[in-house]
Amino acid sequence: QKEVEQNSGPLSVPEGAIASLNCTYSDRGSQSFFWYRQYSGKSPELIMSIYSNGDKEDGRFTAQLNKASQYVSLLIRDSQPSDSATYLCAVNGDSGYALNFGKGTSLLVTP
Amino acid sequence: DVKVTQSSRYLVKRTGEKVFLECVQDMDHENMFWYRQDPGLGLRLIYFSYDVKMKEKGDIPEGYSVSREKKERFSLILESASTNQTSMYLCASNLQGGVNIQYFGAGTRLSVL
Repeated sequence: QKEVEQNSGPLSVPEGAIASLNCTYSDRGSQSFFWYRQYSGKSPELIMSIYSNGDKEDGRFTAQLNKASQYVSLLIRDSQPSDSATYLCAVNGDSGYALNFGKGTSLLVTP
Repeated sequence: DVKVTQSSRYLVKRTGEKVFLECVQDMDHENMFWYRQDPGLGLRLIYFSYDVKMKEKGDIPEGYSVSREKKERFSLILESASTNQTSMYLCASNLQGGVNIQYFGAGTRLSVL
């Protein structure tokens, strides 16, 4: 079983600050990495995907991938209360079809 | 927009009942997945299918079966529901050979009494 590890949190940041979410994975052969956001009682929605080492930016979100160290992170700039949710890290799995998900980090942005 | 539709948002069933959870996607995706999500355990893969009539076990297939008779539809079956199958069930789909982005349905919250 390939592992995807996340700190469960809650991570609390003040409005306007940068939130930093981290994820480590065990399979060195993993090629695809995703961050999903999940509001309470809702289904996960994709916010970022990253496939190459380095940074990928999309609006207030930046995904960072370091395959040598086997970690992927998500930075949220200018955090808003509406960013309060659970963030799931996902990595492509053994079968090549399915994803392995971390258990998620709960983020709370306080006004 | 990709649309993955799960037939029910909430279901309440009794122990021993046969339960069907239905999922339909409208984007001609080859792959479809069933997960369950429980507090503290995260998302766990039950079964997936990469083609019509093809299925593969995930991490926790015990107590479940699946059916994929048409490309757009993937059904999860609880042959004899038990209380430990009370959970949120999520269906997802994606393209084969693509970048593996999975799109999720809204989820079905199943309670087995």
